[in-house]
Amino acid sequence: EIVLTQSPATLSLSPGERATLSCRASQGVSSYLAWYQQKPGQAPRLLIYDASNRATGIPARFSGSGPGTDFTLTISSLEPEDFAVYYCQQRSNWITFGQGTRLEIK
Amino acid sequence: QLQLQESGPGLVKPSETLSLTCTVSGGSISSSSYYWGWIRQPPGKGLEWIGSIYYSGSTYYNPSLKSRVTISVDTSKNQFSLKLSSVTAADTAVYYCARHGSAFDIWGQGTMVTVSS
Repeated sequence: EIVLTQSPATLSLSPGERATLSCRASQGVSSYLAWYQQKPGQAPRLLIYDASNRATGIPARFSGSGPGTDFTLTISSLEPEDFAVYYCQQRSNWITFGQGTRLEIK
Repeated sequence: QLQLQESGPGLVKPSETLSLTCTVSGGSISSSSYYWGWIRQPPGKGLEWIGSIYYSGSTYYNPSLKSRVTISVDTSKNQFSLKLSSVTAADTAVYYCARHGSAFDIWGQGTMVTVSS
């Protein structure tokens, strides 16, 4: 099983700041990595697929990088609606999710 | 616009079988480009993939749950279903169905299932 480790567990930032979220895979997953945003009481929403491709309707302030074992989700300038929990997910070997990063308002 | 909706009992007794159905509307489950999957989320915790099915009936399951999981598809009803046997309190979670190709791009709203006597 490929383990995805996300860091930090919690990130406290202010609107307008830049957010950098990390996802490290226990072995290489090529570019088969996605990022999701989840708000309380809602289903996750796909942000990025195949490491760096924005999903339909996702603002350009969201970007992803990879491939390999170390991946990053960057939000260039935080909007109030961006404060949520973020998960990474790989599909290289079965399907696993990271444990999540909570992005909270400072 | 494609939509997914989960349905099934919200309460299941320990040792019994959890059964959920996902109804796909606004599009066909027989699309050759996608799998259809189940994901769950225990209260306050992260996401866990349960398994996925192709419209032809081909399945793949999370190895940690494989012995208890069955996923099936009914293309005539545009539905796919989950059965999880021998449930315990650890199976209490919100259960989501979702479409996936490169990623899970369309999700149902989720349904809470509690395992309790």
